[in-house]
Amino acid sequence: KQEVTQIPAALSVPEGENLVLNCSFTDSAIYNLQWFRQDPGKGLTSLLLIQSSQREQTSGRLNASLDKSSGRSTLYIAASQPGDSATYLCAVIRTTVYNFNKFYFGSGTKLNVKP
Amino acid sequence: DAGVTQSPTHLIKTRGQQVTLRCSPKSGHDTVSWYQQALGQGPQFIFQYYEEEERQRGNFPDRFSGHQFPNYSSELNVNALLLGDSALYLCASSGTDSGNTIYFGEGSWLTVV
Repeated sequence: KQEVTQIPAALSVPEGENLVLNCSFTDSAIYNLQWFRQDPGKGLTSLLLIQSSQREQTSGRLNASLDKSSGRSTLYIAASQPGDSATYLCAVIRTTVYNFNKFYFGSGTKLNVKP
Repeated sequence: DAGVTQSPTHLIKTRGQQVTLRCSPKSGHDTVSWYQQALGQGPQFIFQYYEEEERQRGNFPDRFSGHQFPNYSSELNVNALLLGDSALYLCASSGTDSGNTIYFGEGSWLTVV
């Protein structure tokens, strides 16, 4: 069974800091890995999708890496801003029958960036 | 282009009652998945609908059922509500044009009292 763990559960940093969020998974037979952002009381917004054959993806101040052999992914946020405050969720994606992509989510890291 | 829309946004039900939640997928998407997210947890997969059939199901009891209509919209029904069913219910849609990316709605907050 795929278990996805995110550390830390919560993080509070001053504005401008660079920070790293961690995601680990138990089964390396994954298809892809995706990072999401969730604002309080809202749905999920996709940030970055890393295909299993890739090692990293970048979008603006965000960089996500994937190391399947060690079962780890990191989300790096450069020059954090108060608007980055949200919960960040990683999801491991496995393909099952009918070419169905099943998502296994971690519990998230709640980030607070202080002005 | 409207994204994934869900209704209602919030509702309160009494233990033992039944609830129906609705989802309209993003335009052009034909696959709808439902997730339950308890407070402080990540979303848990309930089931997925494609071509009006339930194709995959997570570890949820039969009290949770669903339906997909010809226009690809979907409903999630929960019978005999328990206090533990209180959660945010998220609908996600995907299609051939979205590759491996799924799009989530804003969710329906269900409180069971």
